Amino acid sequence: LAKTTQPISMDSYEGQEVNITCSHNNIATNDYITWYQQFPSQGPRFIIQGYKTKVTNEVASLFIPADRKSSTLSLPRVSLSDTAVYYCLVRNGQNFVFGPGTRLSVLP
Amino acid sequence: NAGVTQTPKFQVLKTGQSMTLQCAQDMNHNSMYWYRQDPGMGLRLIYYSASEGTTDKGEVPNGYNVSRLNKREFSLRLESAAPSQTSVYFCASSEAIWGTGGFGTEAFFGQGTRLTVV
Repeated sequence: LAKTTQPISMDSYEGQEVNITCSHNNIATNDYITWYQQFPSQGPRFIIQGYKTKVTNEVASLFIPADRKSSTLSLPRVSLSDTAVYYCLVRNGQNFVFGPGTRLSVLP
Repeated sequence: NAGVTQTPKFQVLKTGQSMTLQCAQDMNHNSMYWYRQDPGMGLRLIYYSASEGTTDKGEVPNGYNVSRLNKREFSLRLESAAPSQTSVYFCASSEAIWGTGGFGTEAFFGQGTRLTVV
């Protein structure tokens, strides 16, 4: 079953680009990689999803190398409001499993 | 558009009491889920319902029961609450079961129910 590994925490300053890398060595051929964001006292919120190469939306970019064993979430020019926990998910059996995520702290 | 609505938002129970957490979605989604989140941890799947009329166990089903009342509603019941069930509970829904057919599927989460069992 697929399992993800990502850093427990990261610090950044306002205006910087933040890259969070997730490893998923056992990802299945058909599985997508999905990232969620969670603020305190709220449910997770979908950020971005991809299968290979690069995906970009108004919030973030997702880079996936050819072997798909890892992925990198890129947040351009973070602000204080981007302080949150970020989860990288791949399928585990019938459903996605949330690991502990990466706690991003954006400092002024 | 309300999305996923959970009730109640907060609840305190005594050990041994029972209660039902309610969840409703207005997006006409087929699949619904119940997760729990303990401090400093990610979400763990309790039960899910791939479609109306079906329910399946997730990672941590012991001590819980669920009912998919109709397409909109999916309830979680604690028959005899224990302190170990103190947690934040999240309901979620998605158009199709996650990962089905090789397609990624976005899930929408409710605001959570903070449950304390004393």
